[in-house]
Amino acid sequence: QTVVTQEPSFSVSPGGTVTLTCGLTSGSVSKSYYPSWYQQTPGRAPRTLIYNTNTRSSGVPDRFSGSILGNKAALTITGAQADDESDYYCVLYMGSGIWVFGGGTKLIVL
Amino acid sequence: QVQLQESGPGLVKPSETLSLTCTVSGGSVSSGSYYWSWIRQPLGKGLEWIGYIYYSGSTNYNPSLKSRVTMSVDTSNNQFSLRLSSVTAADTAVYYCARTTTGTADFDYWGQGTLVTVSS
Repeated sequence: QTVVTQEPSFSVSPGGTVTLTCGLTSGSVSKSYYPSWYQQTPGRAPRTLIYNTNTRSSGVPDRFSGSILGNKAALTITGAQADDESDYYCVLYMGSGIWVFGGGTKLIVL
Repeated sequence: QVQLQESGPGLVKPSETLSLTCTVSGGSVSSGSYYWSWIRQPLGKGLEWIGYIYYSGSTNYNPSLKSRVTMSVDTSNNQFSLRLSSVTAADTAVYYCARTTTGTADFDYWGQGTLVTVSS
């Protein structure tokens, strides 16, 4: 069974740049997996940041960007702010009507 | 603005069936452009896709839950529903309903979530 992998945690300084990744235990992530990214703060529903690899959802600041880096999907935050401290989830469309979420990355801004 | 709202019992006994309904406003479950999904999150843990239903009634479920999951859609009331049978404590989670775009395969609108606890 293929698992979607994410870094469990990451730390970034205010104003810094961080890249979170979303990979597969078997194989490479490509645009055909339609990777999307979600931000979640405690007690709240996830909020869509990026869909279809690199399209920002409405209202999402342009400091958030998505891409494919090597064999993984990536979410880059440029100029991190304190309120970016959240959990970030990627999800991949595996085909045949099946989606799989990654385990999430806890981002700490300090 | 599309809004989704989950409703249902917050407490279910072990071995019984969990039933939740998602009411959609500002959009139509009859739209052919979207799937209607259920996603859950055990407290302190990650998100798990449970499955989706299309307006036609066609469904697809997470293989790990498939034997226990049933989804239905009620186009007249603009709602869709989840039933999860034979629940155990491991099914205790916040359950979200979400709209899924067929073209870009993302979850663009989410309900606020509802906590379901499995306990006797």
